[in-house]
This record gives sequence, C-alpha cells and structure tokens, in this order.
Amino acid sequence: GQQLNQSPQSMFIQEGEDVSMNCTSSSIFNTWLWYKQDPGEGPVLLIALYKAGELTSNGRLTAQFGITRKDSFLNISASIPSDVGIYFCAGDGSNTGNQFYFGTGTSLTVIP
Amino acid sequence: GAVVSQHPSRVICKSGTSVKIECRSLDFQATTMFWYRQFPKQSLMLMATSNEGSKATYEQGVEKDKFLINHASLTLSTLTVTSAHPEDSSFYICSAAGGPNNEQFFGPGTRLTVL
Repeated sequence: GQQLNQSPQSMFIQEGEDVSMNCTSSSIFNTWLWYKQDPGEGPVLLIALYKAGELTSNGRLTAQFGITRKDSFLNISASIPSDVGIYFCAGDGSNTGNQFYFGTGTSLTVIP
Repeated sequence: GAVVSQHPSRVICKSGTSVKIECRSLDFQATTMFWYRQFPKQSLMLMATSNEGSKATYEQGVEKDKFLINHASLTLSTLTVTSAHPEDSSFYICSAAGGPNNEQFFGPGTRLTVL
C-alpha cells in the first residue's frame, strides 16, 4: 500500500527542547492523524485533523493540516523523557474509504 | 478515546501450526477493522481490511489463504495465521474504525514468534 514520507526518520534531543516533524504525500488527504507508539504496544491516537489549515493542540503537542492538503506537521514543545517513542502520521484520501496510509515514522529520543 | 483489545498479547508456536488472534472494539461498534503487520523499527504495513459480514480485502502480496480473516460481528474480527513459519514471526496489530471521521483506534498488538 501507499506510504507517506515522514521526516526526520529519527531525532535525538535534549529534555526541554522543542520538536518538529512533518509528513508529506503526493495525494490529497481529507483527514490527517498523528499517533505515538511505545515499544511493544499499539499506536495511540494523539491528534486528528479534518480540514486544510486546521491547527489543533493537545497539551504540549500541536499539529497542523497543510493548506495544500498534502502535508501535515507535528510539534512538541518543552520535550520530556516520556515523549520518547515512534511517531506516525496517517492520511485518509477521498477514495480510500476507511483506509488510512501511514508514514514511515519518526523515532524520538529525549536525553535527560 | 475508543478502546480496542487484542488477544493474545504474545504467542509462541511451532512451525506448521495455526494461530488465531482476536481483535475487539470494547465500547463502540466497528463495521471496519484493519490488520497490520510491523517488523522491528519499521512502520505499519496494512495486510487487509476486514468488513463485518463480508469478505476481507487483502493488500497486494498478502496471501488470503494463509492469513484468514473473519469479521463475525460489529465488535470482533479474527486473524488466523495458518501453517505458520518462522518468517511469519512479527508484531500483528489490529485497528477499528470509529469516531466522526472513522479515525482508527489500535489494539495493543500481538507478538507472534514461530519456532
């Protein structure tokens, strides 16, 4: 199936720093989702975006639905050790029914 | 958010045996569930889309006779790995579509090890 381009692939940051990652697609999407996955567990939904330009926050996390509908961004402010994990974006196109395509993931390591 | 359970969380089996994994949506009805496979340090790869009351739709390259999917009710989908081999060892994750825009909520995953 289709995969989205997600960058960076991995990040190593100091505790307290801000983090930014993005996801791009060659197709237009109607919905963008951001998930976090801890080792050995299933992904947990962080933020859902439903329309172009939308900016949504969840605590220290902020995500935006790109105007072109082909990209999305996730920012984490003032990172803490428990932010460690793999972050995935997912997009839903108009002709994919309920199917979402997933990004390749961004592995985040926070150094105390 | 919606809760999805998966059972078992971990299974070890001998080569040639079959293994069944259950996926349940606990607090909502899901007409559509998805089965993914994930190798270490890689993203989720969609295997099939499971629709209640109808046959599953498999992604290209996924053998439908090897990975049997049954979506018997609006809250339960099962994946059976038939005649498992060591190369089938992986992390299998299900998700259920719910919410206003059919967001996917994931189960905790099943770690399959085939000896």
